[in-house]
Amino acid sequence: GAVVSQHPSWVICKSGTSVKIECRSLDFQATTMFWYRQFPKQSLMLMATSNEGSKATYEQGVEKDKFLINHASLTLSTLTVTSAHPEDSSFYICSARRGGAYEQYFGPGTRLTVT
Amino acid sequence: AQKITQTQPGMFVQEKEAVTLDCTYDTSDPSYGLFWYKQPSSGEMIFLIYQGSYDQQNATEGRYSLNFQKARKSANLVISASQLGDSAMYFCAMSRSGSARQLTFGSGTQLTVLP
Repeated sequence: GAVVSQHPSWVICKSGTSVKIECRSLDFQATTMFWYRQFPKQSLMLMATSNEGSKATYEQGVEKDKFLINHASLTLSTLTVTSAHPEDSSFYICSARRGGAYEQYFGPGTRLTVT
Repeated sequence: AQKITQTQPGMFVQEKEAVTLDCTYDTSDPSYGLFWYKQPSSGEMIFLIYQGSYDQQNATEGRYSLNFQKARKSANLVISASQLGDSAMYFCAMSRSGSARQLTFGSGTQLTVLP
């Protein structure tokens, strides 16, 4: 149990376009979902925390108008990178946590390349 | 503010030997959780082990054990009987207090198991 999927696994887009990444908890209801960003050979940096039905909470320095997060249901959260630029190229990972549980289960990640 | 420090960017261990990966932390929260995750080259984050700050005994999960020394603020991961498949990046993380329990990650240790 506790499987989290992400789609797509990799995406290449042109500068100025928007890209949507989906994160789904397949076999449990996730009260909270998280979005992280990871540059090569670096650690995971938390971008935002989202709860179903409410606005996401963004970490300091993360542009909420650029990285739009929608937590539409207890099993789906989406991250939209708007007007993407080459510096947005990164590995984006989501995770999900059940209510009351301590551990987060991570998706396989999405590699975004902006040309 | 919380801080997680992993001072070993890279470690080598011989197959079948035990290895300790270091992690120190700093927090003013009285209640927190400590985690270890494994990230193979595929990028997925695999949950290994969890230790609560009030847990009296060190956590163990199969070949993984967490050497928790609260006074020293350390939470080292011990992997016994290393296997070639253990070669990966290992991240120590700490959860913040509050209902969302966001994770703060260390910089990671790249473990290479030698045949």
